[in-house]
Amino acid sequence: ETGVTQTPRHLVMGMTNKKSLKCEQHLGHNAMYWYKQSAKKPLELMFVYNFKEQTENNSVPSRFSPECPNSSHLFLHLHTLQPEDSALYLCASSRSPTGSTDTQYFGPGTRLTVL
Amino acid sequence: GESVGLHLPTLSVQEGDNSIINCAYSNSASDYFIWYKQESGKGPQFIIDIRSNMDKRQGQRVTVLLNKTVKHLSLQIAATQPGDSAVYFCARRAGGTSYGKLTFGQGTILTVHP
Repeated sequence: ETGVTQTPRHLVMGMTNKKSLKCEQHLGHNAMYWYKQSAKKPLELMFVYNFKEQTENNSVPSRFSPECPNSSHLFLHLHTLQPEDSALYLCASSRSPTGSTDTQYFGPGTRLTVL
Repeated sequence: GESVGLHLPTLSVQEGDNSIINCAYSNSASDYFIWYKQESGKGPQFIIDIRSNMDKRQGQRVTVLLNKTVKHLSLQIAATQPGDSAVYFCARRAGGTSYGKLTFGQGTILTVHP
């Protein structure tokens, strides 16, 4: 285990539903990340949080809304998603996003299917 | 622009053989490179990293080689085992104000046959 947990592991939702993904890290890190992994595509960075403050939004549609209440927890709120949003959503953490050699540790991901 | 790409999408080897997974990149300024392994149903797992001021770094059964002249990165796995079967990603990061942003390649599927 990497010390980063994600729930739920699988989620099926309709386009009108509202759901949330949760990530928790037990590593004492200060930076947390959301990535999207689609089939046959490289991992795409979505958001970066450093000490609870959002420091990067990689042009993500507003139907994805992140929340970081503290350095250990990260949420991704979902509403009115599209079928093309179906993917594996990965959470990661690192000591600091500005450290050039800080390793990012990933959680197992949430497999999201939008019907 | 920044990009990290892989030469081959799949690699099949026999157990005990050495495996070499390749990666090309386009931007070499202040780069730091990482190899991740992703097994089915799991998130990417850190394997080994290398800074741009190094040419080679060794870990347990793994070696990463960096050729800055041709902007090429490789991961060598010695005595490949069935448990090494996974998708392998190279990733590049620039430090400073890039907030640790990683740029990932598409991944190479390594299959190890007993």
